[in-house]
Amino acid sequence: LAKTTQPISMDSYEGQEVNITCSHNNIATNDYITWYQQFPSQGPRFIIQGYKTKVTNEVASLFIPADRKSSTLSLPRVSLSDTAVYYCLVAYNNNDMRFGAGTRLTVKP
Amino acid sequence: EAQVTQNPRYLITVTGKKLTVTCSQNMNHEYMSWYRQDPGLGLRQIYYSMNVEVTDKGDVPEGYKVSRKEKRNFPLILESPSPNQTSLYFCASSLSSRQTQYFGPGTRLLVL
Repeated sequence: LAKTTQPISMDSYEGQEVNITCSHNNIATNDYITWYQQFPSQGPRFIIQGYKTKVTNEVASLFIPADRKSSTLSLPRVSLSDTAVYYCLVAYNNNDMRFGAGTRLTVKP
Repeated sequence: EAQVTQNPRYLITVTGKKLTVTCSQNMNHEYMSWYRQDPGLGLRQIYYSMNVEVTDKGDVPEGYKVSRKEKRNFPLILESPSPNQTSLYFCASSLSSRQTQYFGPGTRLLVL
């Protein structure tokens, strides 16, 4: 059974780098990994997507090792406004959308 | 403005009373999907649609129906709601299943 797992919560302080890891043991060659951010009372919002190695955009980096059984979302120099729930999504076989249960990140001053 | 809209945003109903939650997108997206979000479980896919008249079951389809008669609309139907369908529901759309999904604001449903 395809499953996507991630830590329930993490704490950090302003200015630190935060790394959130997601496990997806059953990922196939063409399955992609996407991370979303969600604030209270809002729908999830896209952060970053990747297939392998490393992807970087203006807000985050995504690291995917060679075996692709896990991935790590990296948020550089977090601020208080980065406090949110972060979801890992793997689209198994393109259509079987499996979100992780979400990681609640709390950034403290 | 490119967006996904859902109505209603909040709904309280009673067991067995049929209801429909509408979803509409103005981005000409082919792929649309419904999710429910419950504490500790994240988002679970209910149904998805690859294009007009093409729908398929997701992870938790029991008790739900959908239709895709037009590209922009993807309503979620609960024929006979039960208390275990009390949840927060999100509609999402994307160009394809591989592309970034855009989510609506959510519909909070309480079934008594």
